[in-house]
Amino acid sequence: AQRVTQPEKLLSVFKGAPVELKCNYSYSGSPELFWYVQYSRQRLQLLLRHISRESIKGFTADLNKGETSFHLKKPFAQEEDSAMYYCALSGGPDSWGKLQFGAGTQVVVTP
Amino acid sequence: KAGVTQTPRYLIKTRGQQVTLSCSPISGHRSVSWYQQTPGQGLQFLFEYFSETQRNKGNFPGRFSGRQFSNSRSEMNVSTLELGDSALYLCASSLNPGTGGSEQYFGPGTRLTVT
Repeated sequence: AQRVTQPEKLLSVFKGAPVELKCNYSYSGSPELFWYVQYSRQRLQLLLRHISRESIKGFTADLNKGETSFHLKKPFAQEEDSAMYYCALSGGPDSWGKLQFGAGTQVVVTP
Repeated sequence: KAGVTQTPRYLIKTRGQQVTLSCSPISGHRSVSWYQQTPGQGLQFLFEYFSETQRNKGNFPGRFSGRQFSNSRSEMNVSTLELGDSALYLCASSLNPGTGGSEQYFGPGTRLTVT
């Protein structure tokens, strides 16, 4: 069974401090992992995809297959990073088109 | 390219009624997925359509159904509405999951309130 766990419901950080959002998953095959972000009053949007190994808005995420984790990191948080962040997993052919989401982590960046 | 669009944006229905929600994917995207978002259960997968065929379905009762048209537009239908169906219904499109086009792009959602 697919499962995505985001242990923190709320993460409060100061501007300029590092931020790390944890994501752990369980899946028997080789999943695709994503981070989605939802800013206030905006639609859910793709932030990162593990395959692309990009840095978007200063965020990076590394897939650790040994620890089955895909944590999201940013070295210096900005106020505009305040949002809801979701980790999501896409599995193999039996679940194409299905994203399994974690419960989400609300990030609040205070000045 | 225009993003994913959903209509209507807001709906208020009464228990027992049925409702149809519509989704227009990004041009060229052939896969449409539907999700239900609630404060208690978070984001839950309803079903996915590709080339007018339902390929995957989540754990929802048969009252929830959908379809996809030849132009990739999709509709979902909920019959015999219950209070617990009140939620934000999200539609997402992607190129073709399974061939490297698996990232999904979401619409703004339809907020359904059942009274």
